[in-house]
Amino acid sequence: DVKVTQSSRYLVKRTGEKVFLECVQDMDHENMFWYRQDPGLGLRLIYFSYDVKMKEKGDIPEGYSVSREKKERFSLILESASTNQTSMYLCASSPPGAAYQPQHFGDGTRLSIL
Amino acid sequence: AQSVTQLDSQVPVFEEAPVELRCNYSSSVSVYLFWYVQYPNQGLQLLLKYLSGSTLVKGINGFEAEFNKSQTSFHLRKPSVHISDTAEFFCDVSVGSNQAGTALIFGKGTTLSVSS
Repeated sequence: DVKVTQSSRYLVKRTGEKVFLECVQDMDHENMFWYRQDPGLGLRLIYFSYDVKMKEKGDIPEGYSVSREKKERFSLILESASTNQTSMYLCASSPPGAAYQPQHFGDGTRLSIL
Repeated sequence: AQSVTQLDSQVPVFEEAPVELRCNYSSSVSVYLFWYVQYPNQGLQLLLKYLSGSTLVKGINGFEAEFNKSQTSFHLRKPSVHISDTAEFFCDVSVGSNQAGTALIFGKGTTLSVSS
């Protein structure tokens, strides 16, 4: 089974801090994704990557950056955290063919910015 | 631009009753369609998918969905629900012919609450 592991289930940070959310997948998938999930808004794509060092902006990239130095790891970075970035963050991966391949999700990181 | 509408934000039902969760989309190009389920405190997992072929798609845990191209719908159904089906359900519409041009759009979710 594919396993997508997010480094923290819960995280509390302060405004202005630089925050790193880490995601690792063990199935050699080319595609990796970061979403945020908010009540009533569903999942919104922040960034995705279809290869090492490649990235594409999603629907809400403002305030975020990403890093993919190795195929199995995809990091989401909040350069200067703000309270409106308090949310559930979900990482996912999929094989090549991002449009027609189902995604495999981690369990999420619930991030609180105080 | 593509969009996805899940018509009901909450669906309360009694155990053993049938249920339908509705999903409509808009797109000017061919799409791939997915339903995911999220149980409390977990990530999403795939229920079923439609890529091509038969418009009736069967998934895990007794769920099925029907793709209707003329109505641009992909409604999810189960003939008899259990308490354990209580979860949030997401419809996902994907378009794209290459990696860089892929668009992945999730609906806002439908919370299914099953009570005895």
